Amino acid sequence: AQSVTQLGSHVSVSEGALVLLRCNYSSSVPPYLFWYVQYPNQGLQLLLKYTTGATLVKGINGFEAEFKKSETSFHLTKPSAHMSDAAEYFCAVSKPYSSASKIIFGSGTRLSIRP
Amino acid sequence: DSGVTQTPKHLITATGQRVTLRCSPRSGDLSVYWYQQSLDQGLQFLIQYYNGEERAKGNILERFSAQQFPDLHSELNLSSLELGDSALYFCASSVATSSSGGYQETQYFGPGTRLLVL
Repeated sequence: AQSVTQLGSHVSVSEGALVLLRCNYSSSVPPYLFWYVQYPNQGLQLLLKYTTGATLVKGINGFEAEFKKSETSFHLTKPSAHMSDAAEYFCAVSKPYSSASKIIFGSGTRLSIRP
Repeated sequence: DSGVTQTPKHLITATGQRVTLRCSPRSGDLSVYWYQQSLDQGLQFLIQYYNGEERAKGNILERFSAQQFPDLHSELNLSSLELGDSALYFCASSVATSSSGGYQETQYFGPGTRLLVL
């Protein structure tokens, strides 16, 4: 069975500071990993995804995530936070080649940005 | 804008009632997924339709049902509503891609319908 754990339901950083949102996964097979963002009153939007190949994945809006198999982690980072980054972020996992219906979502981390 | 539309945006109703939520996928997308997002249970997959046929079922209650019509829009019917059904209901559509990384579906989510059961 697969699962994903997001450490910290709420993270607050200052504008311009590093953003680090933590995600650990459990999977019996090499996973596909995703980060989604949900802005207020909007649906989820795919930020980035890891399938195979390069373990450092770059996404939209300056975010990136690194797949670390030895640590079963897929943490999301951004060097410099912007006020517009305030949103809820979801880490997700699925098996390779599986339907999107099999994607398992984490419980989410709400990111707040302090002026 | 993801290209997925959902109506209505907000819905307030009473316990025991029945409501219908509507979703129009992105042009050309054959798959439609329904999700429920609540504070206590997070984002839960309910059901998937592909080109009019049920493809996958998740944690969908028997009181809930869905269908996808020939024009590919989908409706989620919620009946005998309970207070605990209050949640944000999302629809997503997907496109499948094949690359060196393998087969992958990319989902596009609608803005959701916020249901409040009083």
